[in-house]
Amino acid sequence: AQSVAQPEDQVNVAEGNPLTVKCTYSVSGNPYLFWYVQYPNRGLQFLLKYITGDNLVKGSYGFEAEFNKSQTSFHLKKPSALVSDSALYFCAVRDLRDYKLSFGAGTTVTVRA
Amino acid sequence: DTAVSQTPKYLVTQMGNDKSIKCEQNLGHDTMYWYKQDSKKFLKIMFSYNNKELIINETVPNRFSPKSPDKAHLNLHINSLELGDSAVYFCASSQGLGPRGEKLFFGSGTQLSVL
Repeated sequence: AQSVAQPEDQVNVAEGNPLTVKCTYSVSGNPYLFWYVQYPNRGLQFLLKYITGDNLVKGSYGFEAEFNKSQTSFHLKKPSALVSDSALYFCAVRDLRDYKLSFGAGTTVTVRA
Repeated sequence: DTAVSQTPKYLVTQMGNDKSIKCEQNLGHDTMYWYKQDSKKFLKIMFSYNNKELIINETVPNRFSPKSPDKAHLNLHINSLELGDSAVYFCASSQGLGPRGEKLFFGSGTQLSVL
């Protein structure tokens, strides 16, 4: 079985400061890892994914994520947060051998001006 | 053009009623999904169809029945609605299930409220 943990329900940062949203995963094989963002009253939007290769993955809106196999983590980062980054962020994992994408519980990010 | 569209956006109904939610994608994708998001924002897959074939059927009550008339459409019919069915239901699609870890494209959701 595969699972994702997002240990923080909420992350609050000031605009211009670095933003980190944490994610750890558990799969029996090699993982596909994803980050999605949900703005209020909207569906989820894809930010980035890790399949294989370079551990640092760059995505939309200036976000990046670092895959760390030894720590089974896939933290989302942005060097300088914007107020418009305030949203709900979901980490997701899929085992290579499984069709199902399992989502974490989500982390609400609030960026204050 | 909306890539994944679902209707209605809001659905308010009484317990015991039967209702349907429709989903259409114009991306030419082979795979479509239904997800349920509860009041705590937890997102859980319900069903997935690949080329009109059911490939994921999670532990969902029999009252929920998906129908895929063609690759571009995946509808969700719910019989005998219960209070616990109140949630936001998201339709999504992807290119396929293959080794590239295809990303999902989500609709904007249907907020179902059962009274």
